[in-house]
Amino acid sequence: DIQMTQSPSLVSASVGDRVTITCRASQGISSWLVWYQQKPGKAPKVLISAASNLQSGVPSRFSGSGSGTDFTLTISNLQPEDFATYYCQQASRFPYTFGQGTKLEIE
Amino acid sequence: QLQLQESGPGLVKPSETLSLTCTISGGSITSGTYFWAWIRQPPGKGLEWIGNIYYSGSTFYHPSLMSRVTISVDTSKNQFSLKLPSVTAADTAIYYCARHFWHAPFDSWGQGTLVTVSS
Repeated sequence: DIQMTQSPSLVSASVGDRVTITCRASQGISSWLVWYQQKPGKAPKVLISAASNLQSGVPSRFSGSGSGTDFTLTISNLQPEDFATYYCQQASRFPYTFGQGTKLEIE
Repeated sequence: QLQLQESGPGLVKPSETLSLTCTISGGSITSGTYFWAWIRQPPGKGLEWIGNIYYSGSTFYHPSLMSRVTISVDTSKNQFSLKLPSVTAADTAIYYCARHFWHAPFDSWGQGTLVTVSS
């Protein structure tokens, strides 16, 4: 299995801040990396696919980068609705695997 | 608009079989080259891909569950199902059904259903 390691597990920030979350794969996955946002009681929502492709309707303050084994999700100008948990997921090969999640909380 | 809805018992006794169904509306389970997946999330924890079924019927399972899990499709009812026998408390989770293309994200999700394993 490909292990996905996210850091940090918890990040505290304020409205207007810029936050970066990293995700590392245990082996190369090209650009087959997805970022999700999950709010309590809801299913995850796709933010970014193929490492850097912003999904339709997702604000441009979200951006993704990376390839191979190292990836980042950056959220600029944090808004109140951005406080949630974020997961990365590799879509390179089965079994698909997720990072352990990063909880973004209000400082 | 595609919608997925999980259904099944919310409480299962240890050693019994967990059975869930995902009903698809707003689209056909046989249209396009989609995978139909099950994903679970223990309360307060992260996401785990259980497995999926291709529109043709081919299945792929997580190695850690491969000996127990069965995913099947019923095209006449536009549904796919999950069976997980011999459950333990470790199988307590919110179970989601979802759809994806090869190498693509899970782009449509059900709302999730909590299954608790307890006597």
